Amino acid sequence: DTGVSQDPRHKITKRGQNVTFRCDPISEHNRLYWYRQTLGQGPEFLTYFQNEAQLEKSRLLSDRFSAERPKGSFSTLEIQRTEQGDSAMYLCASRFPPKEGRHEAFFGQGTRLTVV
Amino acid sequence: SQKIEQNSEALNIQEGKTATLTCNYTNYSPAYLQWYRQDPGRGPVFLLLIRENEKEKRKERLKVTFDTTLKQSLFHITASQPADSATYLCALLSGGYNKLIFGAGTRLAVHP
Repeated sequence: DTGVSQDPRHKITKRGQNVTFRCDPISEHNRLYWYRQTLGQGPEFLTYFQNEAQLEKSRLLSDRFSAERPKGSFSTLEIQRTEQGDSAMYLCASRFPPKEGRHEAFFGQGTRLTVV
Repeated sequence: SQKIEQNSEALNIQEGKTATLTCNYTNYSPAYLQWYRQDPGRGPVFLLLIRENEKEKRKERLKVTFDTTLKQSLFHITASQPADSATYLCALLSGGYNKLIFGAGTRLAVHP
């Protein structure tokens, strides 16, 4: 397994368009996370899944954002009607469930979104 | 409100010296604290985890301390090298160990 994979690496879109990002986690990990990061800031939590169940969404996640993990493997993050403020790096991470006592997260390389 | 603070200014040090980065937190009682490294344009990479009942943890040239009374962690890189130049992120496990909350990171520049 080569780690967490994200696609695309870069996306430029016009304001008002919809975009979708994909994340393939490490196969043994049932936890999958989405974060957003802007310049000079740390990753900001958006949402997470345990298997196919979405267990928590940040209050910062507007209705324009939706995430899915339909079969408990890969996940998609969709942003509808993009705004310039959505420009950021979108990071995906996966990890083992907490009960296994392994708490480190493994991140993908991110998808850099630019809304023009 | 819960807050994690790291030095926002870049830390510039000379090769061979020890770099010390600080992470302070408020309104948390974390059981675990983690440090990650992030290079420009790439995702964070896990470095070290320290538990609340551990005062210090070491891994090769890295050392982390965790003071739950001061609500502070220090991250040390000894014998620093230019290849250590990166942004270092402090993160706490929150919400029943379910999610990581990150500080803004400190950029380290090691000069030859």
